[in-house]
Amino acid sequence: NAGVMQNPRHLVRRRGQEARLRCSPMKGHSHVYWYRQLPEEGLKFMVYLQKENIIDESGMPKERFSAEFPKEGPSILRIQQVVRGDSAAYFCASSPDSTNYGYTFGSGTRLTVV
Amino acid sequence: DQQVKQNSPSLSVQEGRISILNCDYTNSMFDYFLWYKKYPAEGPTFLISISSIKDKNEDGRFTVFLNKSAKHLSLHIVPSQPGDSAVYFCAASAYSGAGSYQLTFGKGTKLSVIP
Repeated sequence: NAGVMQNPRHLVRRRGQEARLRCSPMKGHSHVYWYRQLPEEGLKFMVYLQKENIIDESGMPKERFSAEFPKEGPSILRIQQVVRGDSAAYFCASSPDSTNYGYTFGSGTRLTVV
Repeated sequence: DQQVKQNSPSLSVQEGRISILNCDYTNSMFDYFLWYKKYPAEGPTFLISISSIKDKNEDGRFTVFLNKSAKHLSLHIVPSQPGDSAVYFCAASAYSGAGSYQLTFGKGTKLSVIP
């Protein structure tokens, strides 16, 4: 049973390009969370999704960022017109239900904007 | 403002001795606390947790203590082993009001266990 799979592991984008980060949750998990870790910082909540629904996007920047979790396929975090400040590690986590007990994280996608 | 603080960026401990990692929080709405361990280029791995209604939880070499009045928790590792060398994140959970439990993380403490 594979864990939470994120790809790519590393992504380099030029300023103004789009970045797409993918996350496949653990088998049987229908709840997905995205967190961002800026350099020298802790992880910060971005968005919580269930299949086909965004439940809580209170941590998402208002512009350029969007997330989806379609009925089929992985969850996608999309960043349009990337800027240098978007350079960070983006972690996805999944759980079988809405829980306050913590969840299983993937290995992350490290985005570098040049 | 930082709601979860880990004031020690790093800690070095001799193998076999006790490692104590500390964490302070400010939000009284946190109802669950967790410790995650993170190796470079990997995601955080859940280590141990404690509910806000308890003051101690133990799992093998790992014990977490919670002092609600002081809004302080600590992770004890004994005996420390070289494989414990990693960054340890303290996290706290609270219902966001927008439909989810969010984790708020500290900045981490890098533990180095010296053989």
